[in-house]
Amino acid sequence: KAGVTQTPRYLIKTRGQQVTLSCSPISGHRSVSWYQQTPGQGLQFLFEYFSETQRNKGNFPGRFSGRQFSNSRSEMNVSTLELGDSALYLCASAWGVGTDTQYFGPGTRLTVL
Amino acid sequence: QKEVEQDPGPLSVPEGAIVSLNCTYSNSAFQYFMWYRQYSRKGPELLMYTYSSGNKEDGRFTAQVDKSSKYISLFIRDSQPSDSATYLCAMSDRDDKIIFGKGTRLHILP
Repeated sequence: KAGVTQTPRYLIKTRGQQVTLSCSPISGHRSVSWYQQTPGQGLQFLFEYFSETQRNKGNFPGRFSGRQFSNSRSEMNVSTLELGDSALYLCASAWGVGTDTQYFGPGTRLTVL
Repeated sequence: QKEVEQDPGPLSVPEGAIVSLNCTYSNSAFQYFMWYRQYSRKGPELLMYTYSSGNKEDGRFTAQVDKSSKYISLFIRDSQPSDSATYLCAMSDRDDKIIFGKGTRLHILP
C-alpha cells in the first residue's frame, strides 16, 4: 500500500511569508505527527493529531499550527516565516496513538530566504 | 543537559565489522526506546523498539537498554554498505511525546 506522502517536496519562501504543508497518511492510519529536522537541533516534535484533535504539542511558538481533516489528511501552517524556520518538515502516520509504530514521509524541505 | 545525547559521528567502519551506536538520556520517565534509520533524502524508518531493560534481537540488529545507567545501544553485526545511513535513537514517556537524538552518521566502507 502507498506510504506517507508529503507535498510539496521543496519550497522556497521569504521572511514574513506564511506556508502550508500537506501530509497524506497511510490509508487507515488515524494519527499524524509533525516534526522539524535541522542539523543543529535534530528531529523535534511539533504536534500530533488523532481523529481531528490535537493530542500533543511540542515546544514551538504559536506561529506553528496544524489541523487534521476527517479523512486523516493533515496540514501544518507556519506564519511570519523566519530564517530559522528553514528545515526538513517530516510527517509521520500511525494506526493509533502512543507507542504505535510511526511511518515517516519523505519530508518537505523548506528554505526561508 | 540535553534529554537525549547521541554522538553525531561520522562513524566509519569496514564492511563485516560490528557497529555499536549509543545514546544516553537524563529523563528517568522514559519507558519506550526506539532506533530509527534514515537514508539521505528519506524520512526515518523504525528499526527496533523496546520498553524494557535488556537485549532485543532482530536479524543482524540488537537493541540494548540499561535503564539503571540511562544508556541504550544498537549493535549491527556483519555490517553492509547498505547499512550506511544516519541512525537516530528515540525515546518516549507516558505522555507519548517522542524525543529524538540528533543521529549518528554511519559509513560502512566496502
